[in-house]
Amino acid sequence: EPEVTQTPSHQVTQMGQEVILRCVPISNHLYFYWYRQILGQKVEFLVSFYNNEISEKSEIFDDQFSVERPDGSNFTLKIRSTKLEDSAMYFCASRPGPYLNYGYTFGSGTRLTVV
Amino acid sequence: GNSVTQMEGPVTLSEEAFLTINCTYTATGYPSLFWYVQYPGEGLQLLLKATKADDKGSNKGFEATYRKETTSFHLEKGSVQVSDSAVYFCALIKAAGNKLTFGGGTRVLVKP
Repeated sequence: EPEVTQTPSHQVTQMGQEVILRCVPISNHLYFYWYRQILGQKVEFLVSFYNNEISEKSEIFDDQFSVERPDGSNFTLKIRSTKLEDSAMYFCASRPGPYLNYGYTFGSGTRLTVV
Repeated sequence: GNSVTQMEGPVTLSEEAFLTINCTYTATGYPSLFWYVQYPGEGLQLLLKATKADDKGSNKGFEATYRKETTSFHLEKGSVQVSDSAVYFCALIKAAGNKLTFGGGTRVLVKP
């Protein structure tokens, strides 16, 4: 069964450093998402991406965050200057179309630890 | 705005016990409702869904019925196994929406 692949599975970075989280969505999917889950808290929507642009973003997704689909297969989330509160599990997801019967497929997540 | 509330865990059960995880939602219009499961060390997997009132989603022995009158989507399983130990998330997408809104998750631990 097709999978969404995320790398790395765990990343430790120093506060203030830039970090790039990588995702390979399912190849025929057109809609891409990032969610995050701070330890012990809810899974929160960050951003959705379609047709090479952001289609929706949350209040969390401020100027420190950016997304890119650089080569038609990867989908990346960049955090420019990490803060301690960015420590979380970050999930990438994709789906083939916008309709409600098109389910999301999530990756296994990247655990980001900012020290 | 939209929100999902589910019972806090952890829920600890013995094998073959009956499991219920309560989920209620607040949303405008007619959202679609989902249960996702996260096994240890893995990502979020869709367990079941329901897209309109009175629909029943089912999968792997789990069931949930979309109750518009009580704005609920409670998850049930008649006889749990140790392998059902996981975190369960209730979620919704509003009509014509694009993003999932999740509840806080309920950790379930099934003991042999």
